[in-house]
Amino acid sequence: DGGITQSPKYLFRKEGQNVTLSCEQNLNHDAMYWYRQDPGQGLRLIYYSQIVNDFQKGDIAEGYSVSREKKESFPLTVTSAQKNPTAFYLCASSISYRGGLFFGSGTQLSVL
Amino acid sequence: KQEVTQIPAALSVPEGENLVLNCSFTDSAIYNLQWFRQDPGKGLTSLLLIQSSQREQTSGRLNASLDKSSGRSTLYIAASQPGDSATYLCAAPAGGTSYGKLTFGQGTILTVHP
Repeated sequence: DGGITQSPKYLFRKEGQNVTLSCEQNLNHDAMYWYRQDPGQGLRLIYYSQIVNDFQKGDIAEGYSVSREKKESFPLTVTSAQKNPTAFYLCASSISYRGGLFFGSGTQLSVL
Repeated sequence: KQEVTQIPAALSVPEGENLVLNCSFTDSAIYNLQWFRQDPGKGLTSLLLIQSSQREQTSGRLNASLDKSSGRSTLYIAASQPGDSATYLCAAPAGGTSYGKLTFGQGTILTVHP
């Protein structure tokens, strides 16, 4: 079954800790994205990648980092510099800029 | 900068009603518009993708229209069912040469009661 797999489903971060959210896709899509969703707010773009070994900042990249070493994988690290990390994180991919976005099931990150 | 607005914010209807969800966007230079469904605590499920050259798309009981000139899209749900209860989101490209960068509306929370 083709799709996007995000793990873990739930993640807890201690103060000063970096945590990494996993996103893997087997759709053979070129582009991948990370969005953040807060209650009462729309989705906001953190980072996106159009091709392997290349990525760009979205609207709220501060406190986050990504890598794109493989076409299938686009992990997101929430660093200690992100002071308000509690949110629902969604990974997505698309075959091209004209293709629609397909989303994973999300990771809920909370601060201990 | 693209801005997307969805009206109404919430909608509660009895089962069987036909209903319309509205989406407006400020930058009409879009190449497509996408409608999603989100259940609580879940990811987004793509419902319909309308390319700029199309005026509407249909999937089962769902029909989405796109009017770029007026900056509007509507999602029509026929014969609503309790299983349709969810948050519906529309998303338009952020404008310019953005590569798949979408701007999302706040969503319409739909409740269909038996």
